[in-house]
Formats: sequence, C-alpha cells, structure tokens
Amino acid sequence: GAVVSQHPSRVICKSGTSVKIECRSLDFQATTMFWYRQFPKQSLMLMATSNEGSKATYEQGVEKDKFLINHASLTLSTLTVTSAHPEDSSFYICSARDMGRPNTGELFFGEGSRLTVL
Amino acid sequence: QQQVKQSPQSLIVQKGGISIINCAYENTAFDYFPWYQQFPGKGPALLIAIRPDVSEKKEGRFTISFNKSAKQFSLHIMDSQPGDSATYFCAATNTGGFKTIFGAGTRLFVKA
Repeated sequence: GAVVSQHPSRVICKSGTSVKIECRSLDFQATTMFWYRQFPKQSLMLMATSNEGSKATYEQGVEKDKFLINHASLTLSTLTVTSAHPEDSSFYICSARDMGRPNTGELFFGEGSRLTVL
Repeated sequence: QQQVKQSPQSLIVQKGGISIINCAYENTAFDYFPWYQQFPGKGPALLIAIRPDVSEKKEGRFTISFNKSAKQFSLHIMDSQPGDSATYFCAATNTGGFKTIFGAGTRLFVKA
C-alpha cells in the first residue's frame, strides 16, 4: 500500500523559534497534499491544501504567514510553523492523494507530528 | 451542506459484540465515503470505503451500509475485539474535487 512518511514524529521547541515538519510520499507521487491540525479528542481540521509547484491554498482562519507550506516536488511537502507559541502546540498530520489513482478519493496519512512549544 | 454528522461521540462495546457508528451527509455531490481508524498518537488509516452505487460493502469483520436516499451510511464492526479500540472517522469526498470532509469522530472502547 501507499506510504506517507512524516518527520519528526515529536518535536519540542522554545517559544519564538520555527519548526519544520516534512511529509513524504514514499512509493507514489502526489501533486496534492493536505495538512491538518488535530486537537485532543477532536476531528481533523484541514489547514491547507499543498499543491506541487504552486502556492498552497489555506482554509479560512489559518494564517499563511504563520504556517508556511512548500511543495517543492511530487513527493515532498513541508509545513513550517514560524515564531511558534504555546498555543501552536498540537498534533499536525499530513495526507496525500496518489496521482496515479486520481478517481479513488483515498487519502494516505502520515503518522503525525506532535509539536510542543514551551 | 459540507458537513458530515457522526454519532455517537463515544461507544463502549463488550468483546464479541457489534459496534455501530452512523454518519449523515447533505451534499449529493459526494461520491466516495471512507472510514478511517486512528489509534492514539498515530495518523488515521483507511479502514473501508464505499461508493454510492452500492448499498453495502463488507471486508472481514467490517461492513459499510449505505442509504443513498437518506444520505446516511454506517460502519458495523462484527465480533468487536479490544484491538478495535480506537477513534473512527467517517468522511465524504467528491473525487472530482480535492477536499475530504470528516465527521467528528467516534471513540470506541471494546471491553475484554
């Protein structure tokens, strides 16, 4: 099956610093990847849609200057949380659609990244 | 119209029992309805999915029942096991578009 690798799985940083999270599709190509934020015991909140070679599309209320997304290749998207603050602490998850199977609708998820901002 | 309503919020089932989770949607443009299973600290994983041209799909102990006219679908877990304890999300998507709409999730606990 298709595998999405997300790194790091856990990161602790100081307030004011920036943190980069990587999302890689290991055995398929993905023109589109998605970034979610998940609070404890809640559903996945879509933050943005990452498009290879173009700007990301952000959901309403998500600060694009705060959460920088880069999708430089067909297998890699990155989310950078800039000037992180404690309220940015959360579980961040990426997903990808296999461009070789565009009509399936299936999403392949990464393992998630737990960010803790001190 | 973009919402997917999921119930119950939490569910406790005895080992060997049947777990049933329900979802309802509004947008008739949705054409793919997956269920995802998520364990604590992990990303969701596809469990089973259905398209609206069939009323039921079964894979092992997991069955999706789909009612197109009522715009409802449900997940049945037969012979529930403690290892099934997880959070389950229903979802709906339009494969011609990009967004997948997730339900609020159901936390299932199977008692041994």
